[in-house]
Amino acid sequence: SQQGEEDPQALSIQEGENATMNCSYKTSINNLQWYRQNSGRGLVHLILIRSNEREKHSGRLRVTLDTSKKSSSLLITASRAADTASYFCATEVIRLLIQGAQKLVFGQGTRLTINP
Amino acid sequence: DTEVTQTPKHLVMGMTNKKSLKCEQHMGHRAMYWYKQKAKKPPELMFVYSYEKLSINESVPSRFSPECPNSSLLNLHLHALQPEDSALYLCASSQGHNSPLHFGNGTRLTVT
Repeated sequence: SQQGEEDPQALSIQEGENATMNCSYKTSINNLQWYRQNSGRGLVHLILIRSNEREKHSGRLRVTLDTSKKSSSLLITASRAADTASYFCATEVIRLLIQGAQKLVFGQGTRLTINP
Repeated sequence: DTEVTQTPKHLVMGMTNKKSLKCEQHMGHRAMYWYKQKAKKPPELMFVYSYEKLSINESVPSRFSPECPNSSLLNLHLHALQPEDSALYLCASSQGHNSPLHFGNGTRLTVT
C-alpha cells in the first residue's frame, strides 16, 4: 500500500485564500518532501523537511511535520491562480535507505484549483 | 525550464518497435532515477542508479532496459512494449540523501 496518503484529493478555493493539504505516512522516515506538478509537466521540488524538524517556511509555503502522528501539512498562503497544480508529498523511508541515492514513496496527491 | 533534460518530449511507437528515452543532467548529481506516471496518479519508481551502478530495479518488466553510460546520462531502452505501458516517463537526479529530486519534464509515450 502507499506510504503516503494525502487529503483532500481535490481542493478548489478562491484566489487570495489559504490552501492546506495534509499527508499521512505509515513507517519511520528520514525526510518528507513536497512537490508540485503542473499538468503534463515534471515535478518541481518545494520543500524538504527532515525527521528532526517540525516546521519549515519558503516564501508563501509553510510545512509542518509531526512524527508522533506520522503526518505533515503544506500551507500555501495568499493563493494565486498560478498555484493551480497537483501537489505530492513524498517520504524517504528509513528502512529503504540506499547508498548515494534515495527511494522516495509518493502519496496520491492533491489537485489544487485556484479560482480567479 | 528544468536542469534535467529529457528527449524526446513525445513518442509514439508500435508494439514491435525499439526506441530509447534519453535523460541528461549537468548538476554533478550521482543518483539518477526513472519514474513512470499514469494520468492522475503519483509517479512510480522504476530504476535507481547510484554512482552509475543500478541500485534499484522495482521489478520492472524486461521490455524496459535502463542504461547509465556516464554520470550525466541516463537512457531507457524500450522494446516490445504493450499499450498499457503508455504513460509519462520522468527522469530525475539528486545529490543523495536528504536532498531534493530534480525532475525533467518527461517523455509522453504512447504505445499503439
